[in-house]
Amino acid sequence: DAGVTQSPTHLIKTRGQHVTLRCSPISGHKSVSWYQQVLGQGPQFIFQYYEKEERGRGNFPDRFSARQFPNYSSELNVNALLLGDSALYLCASSTGPVQGSFFGQGTRLTVV
Amino acid sequence: SQQGEEDPQALSIQEGENATMNCSYKTSINNLQWYRQNSGRGLVHLILIRSNEREKHSGRLRVTLDTSKKSSSLLITASRAADTASYFCATDWGDKIIFGKGTRLHILP
Repeated sequence: DAGVTQSPTHLIKTRGQHVTLRCSPISGHKSVSWYQQVLGQGPQFIFQYYEKEERGRGNFPDRFSARQFPNYSSELNVNALLLGDSALYLCASSTGPVQGSFFGQGTRLTVV
Repeated sequence: SQQGEEDPQALSIQEGENATMNCSYKTSINNLQWYRQNSGRGLVHLILIRSNEREKHSGRLRVTLDTSKKSSSLLITASRAADTASYFCATDWGDKIIFGKGTRLHILP
């Protein structure tokens, strides 16, 4: 049984560009959350989606957006990239919004 | 900030010893979770404890929750080299899930 899969695993972008990160949850999981983790810090909550609706949003600028598809996979989009957006982006899935989450291995984004 | 705070920030112990990490938070919660992260990759869920629970066990892990003190502890007994990792507590606050900065645990051979 596949776990949470994220793509790509690594990505290098230039300032001002946009990026799309993808996440496939565990089969049967309807909740997907996105986190940003910079080196030495804990994950920072960005979004949570449940049944294709946004359930929660962290303190991130409008440059960050996300959506969940009918098959419960999800995309995180970041526009007008800044150097400070360089981080590990983690996706987590769960059966519901308040259950323990299973994390993917993350996408490491470097903005140069 | 509603962030949980782990204590200590770093901990080094001998293999076989017990490791205790603490987490404090600021507001009422529905549940609290502990996660492990190896080498900056994906997190592994360890235990979820609900606000009406006081203690949970899972293998060598023991988690306690004191809602009156707004704190939780994670005890790892008989530590092994493979336990070397960062450990995070996460609390729910409304529709947000807030992680602390983590405790870096290093098991010495």
